[in-house]
Amino acid sequence: DGGITQSPKYLFRKEGQNVTLSCEQNLNHDAMYWYRQDPGQGLRLIYYSQIVNDFQKGDIAEGYSVSREKKESFPLTVTSAQKNPTAFYLCASTGQGASLGTEAFFGQGTRLTVV
Amino acid sequence: AQKVTQAQTEISVVEKEDVTLDCVYETRDTTYYLFWYKQPPSGELVFLIRRNSFDEQNEISGRYSWNFQKSTSSFNFTITASQVVDSAVYFCALSGPPGYSSASKIIFGSGTRLSIRP
Repeated sequence: DGGITQSPKYLFRKEGQNVTLSCEQNLNHDAMYWYRQDPGQGLRLIYYSQIVNDFQKGDIAEGYSVSREKKESFPLTVTSAQKNPTAFYLCASTGQGASLGTEAFFGQGTRLTVV
Repeated sequence: AQKVTQAQTEISVVEKEDVTLDCVYETRDTTYYLFWYKQPPSGELVFLIRRNSFDEQNEISGRYSWNFQKSTSSFNFTITASQVVDSAVYFCALSGPPGYSSASKIIFGSGTRLSIRP
């Protein structure tokens, strides 16, 4: 079945460590996104990528890094520079070009906790 | 700049009541898209509806209906005869026209937590 897969579902990190969250899609979508959601709050855009080898910062990019080496993959690294990384992270993708204005498809999320 | 405002943080109603979730947006684009998503306790966002800026027709899908008014920059969502299964967080979102530098950015509101009491 087509969709977006995020892994792991739960992730624990020690302070000072970098961790990488995986996001894979088999929908042949061009655009991919990473959002952060804090308890009781909305989704804030971290990074997004319109095409392979290109990505742009969102509203809260500090302390995060991404790569887009393959169309289907958009991993997010939470670096030690991110002061408050505990949150729920959601990955999404959308079609572009002929699929103008299509809705975003979301993964099931990764809940990151700093211990 | 793009912005989506959902002023209602939480709403609680008794089952079978009608409820309206408000969404107000800001954008300088003439072509844009509006969305509503539902987030159940599992966390995954479920797409409900998409509307482009040139289509102001209201839409009804079962117990759900949407009212898009460009004059007031609003895209409100109404659930008729609410049910306990409707309990979730609902997000309104906005994106610009594909093909431009800011096109792919999808901006979400802060969400409205809807609780339906039996």
